[in-house]
Amino acid sequence: QQQVKQSPQSLIVQKGGISIINCAYENTAFDYFPWYQQFPGKGPALLIAIRPDVSEKKEGRFTISFNKSAKQFSLHIMDSQPGDSATYFCAASWGAQKLVFGQGTRLTINP
Amino acid sequence: GAGVSQSPSNKVTEKGKDVELRCDPISGHTALYWYRQSLGQGLEFLIYFQGNSAPDKSGLPSDRFSAERTGGSVSTLTIQRTQQEDSAVYLCASSLDFGTGVYEQYFGPGTRLTVT
Repeated sequence: QQQVKQSPQSLIVQKGGISIINCAYENTAFDYFPWYQQFPGKGPALLIAIRPDVSEKKEGRFTISFNKSAKQFSLHIMDSQPGDSATYFCAASWGAQKLVFGQGTRLTINP
Repeated sequence: GAGVSQSPSNKVTEKGKDVELRCDPISGHTALYWYRQSLGQGLEFLIYFQGNSAPDKSGLPSDRFSAERTGGSVSTLTIQRTQQEDSAVYLCASSLDFGTGVYEQYFGPGTRLTVT
C-alpha cells in the first residue's frame, strides 16, 4: 500500500530527445507527487510536483503527466541535455507527511 | 536564502561507537524530516517532526536510532552502537508548516556515514 514503483532503472537518451520516467502508486490517500533530481554527492533537489486535481503540469522543459484512475504519473524531459544526466526519483505523500520514494532512475544523456 | 545544512558531511566510525548527526532546517520551516539513502534500500523515511506534535518515528529501523529537535529548529539524529549496515547517507529535509498546505520538502546535502 505504501509502495511507489518506478521504471526504468536506467535510461539512455540522445541529446535533444525526450526522456520519460514512469511511476505507479497504490495508496489512493496520496495527494502530493514530487519529482527529485540528484547529482552524485548531492542531496535530492525538488524539480517539479503535482497534486491529483490536475492531469499535467509543465515547468520549462519538465512536464509531469498524472493519471489518477490508473494511479500512475510520469516525468517527461523535453530537449534533453547532457546536464540533465542525473538520478531521478519520484515520490508520493499524504500532505506534508513522509515521502515514499520510488527506486530511482539513472538518466544518461549522450551528446 | 540559506538551505538545509547538515554536519558533518562525512563521518567514519568504528562498529559499536555512537554517532550524532546534525541538521539545521531552512529558517521558518517547522517540519523536519530524516531519511536514509543506501544502495540496497533507496531513500527511506526515518522520522518526522512537526511543530510541537509528537514525532512520527515509524521509520526508525531499531531502538538504536533516536532523534530530537531542540527549540523547534535544529535536529540531531543519534545512532547508538553503530553496525556496518548503518553505513548510508543520512539526509535531512524541511518544509513549511503543515497547516499552510505547502508540502514541498527541501533536502540538505546529507551526511555520509561509514561504519568500519
